Amino acid sequence: DTGVSQNPRHKITKRGQNVTFRCDPISEHNRLYWYRQTLGQGPEFLTYFQNEAQLEKSRLLSDRFSAERPKGSFSTLEIQRTEQGDSAMYLCASSFGLRETQYFGPGTRLLVL
Amino acid sequence: AQTVTQSQPEMSVQEAETVTLSCTYDTSESDYYLFWYKQPPSRQMILVIRQEAYKQQNATENRFSVNFQKAAKSFSLKISDSQLGDAAMYFCAWRGGATNKLIFGTGTLLAVQP
Repeated sequence: DTGVSQNPRHKITKRGQNVTFRCDPISEHNRLYWYRQTLGQGPEFLTYFQNEAQLEKSRLLSDRFSAERPKGSFSTLEIQRTEQGDSAMYLCASSFGLRETQYFGPGTRLLVL
Repeated sequence: AQTVTQSQPEMSVQEAETVTLSCTYDTSESDYYLFWYKQPPSRQMILVIRQEAYKQQNATENRFSVNFQKAAKSFSLKISDSQLGDAAMYFCAWRGGATNKLIFGTGTLLAVQP
């Protein structure tokens, strides 16, 4: 069990560019979550997958954001036409079931210039 | 809507001493879970302790224990025999029994003085 991994760990991009982040959950965890954390704040929920199905999306997830989890394994989060307000830490977490603890990855820190 | 409040932005404790971090929450649900997560600088968030609302007994994990006051909607974390490695941001979080998302407080930054 190697834990939740995320790549890249850091990303610097220019406003208007597209970026994609990857999350590999703990093996056999069927639930995967994305959160966003801005400086000085706690993480805020973005979206959730059960296996390959995206079952819940926050209002924070604008049309520029899209997430996928093909085959119910790793997940990608894409932000199109990035804005400076998208600068944040993007955290991924996974769990084995609804009532089970969510385990977090190290996050991807995004800076939009 | 559920909310989680951490009223102490920063706390400091001497090594080997005990410190208590406060957390209050607001919910109308009866089935929920409460968590304390630790986020060291530039490192990933890790679970410290978890409490099921239906359990009357306070959760304990080694030097970490909680004081869960359900009627008062209070969930404080006590760290005994503080160590330098305990220095981190601590987040209190709530999750409903039938929901998927964690709702976090704004965190308490704990400094441990040698």
